Amino acid sequence: DTGVSQNPRHKITKRGQNVTFRCDPISEHNRLYWYRQTLGQGPEFLTYFQNEAQLEKSRLLSDRFSAERPKGSFSTLEIQRTEQGDSAMYLCASSSGEGPQHFGDGTRLSIL
Amino acid sequence: GENVEQHPSTLSVQEGDSAVIKCTYSDSASNYFPWYKQELGKRPQLIIDIRSNVGEKKDQRIAVTLNKTAKHFSLHITETQPEDSAVYFCAATDSWGKLQFGAGTQVVVTP
Repeated sequence: DTGVSQNPRHKITKRGQNVTFRCDPISEHNRLYWYRQTLGQGPEFLTYFQNEAQLEKSRLLSDRFSAERPKGSFSTLEIQRTEQGDSAMYLCASSSGEGPQHFGDGTRLSIL
Repeated sequence: GENVEQHPSTLSVQEGDSAVIKCTYSDSASNYFPWYKQELGKRPQLIIDIRSNVGEKKDQRIAVTLNKTAKHFSLHITETQPEDSAVYFCAATDSWGKLQFGAGTQVVVTP
């Protein structure tokens, strides 16, 4: 078990471009969560999946954001038409049911 | 929805002293309260957690207490060491079971 894996670790892109991040949860964890963290703040919930079903989306998740977990294993988070305000660390976590959530190292997004 | 407040925002302690971080929550339905430690540039790491049917939990130098009536919980670190320096986040589940985090406490342990 290698823990939650996220890639890329860093992404630098120009405003207006689309970006996609990937998260591989701990194997056999059926829940997968996406959070966003800005400097000096705690992680903010974006969305979560139980198996392949997306159960909840935060109001923070505008229609430019979409997440998928097609086979109930890895997940992708896509941001379309990126804006300066999207610059943040995007964290993924996984859990077995309502058990403890374990985080990945995150993807740091920088918008030029 | 759930709202978690965390105090203090920064905490400086001498090595060997104790550190206490306090959090309050708003949703009386919350039943799970984890604490995470995050070092600069690294992932949040779960250090201890407590469920609502327990009032206190201890793991070596770290302990967490929970007062459900008052809706507050605290992290206690005893015999602090320089490697305890990090940002600590408390969190609480909301009624949907997802985590709401506090704003964090920067702990600095000085030798």
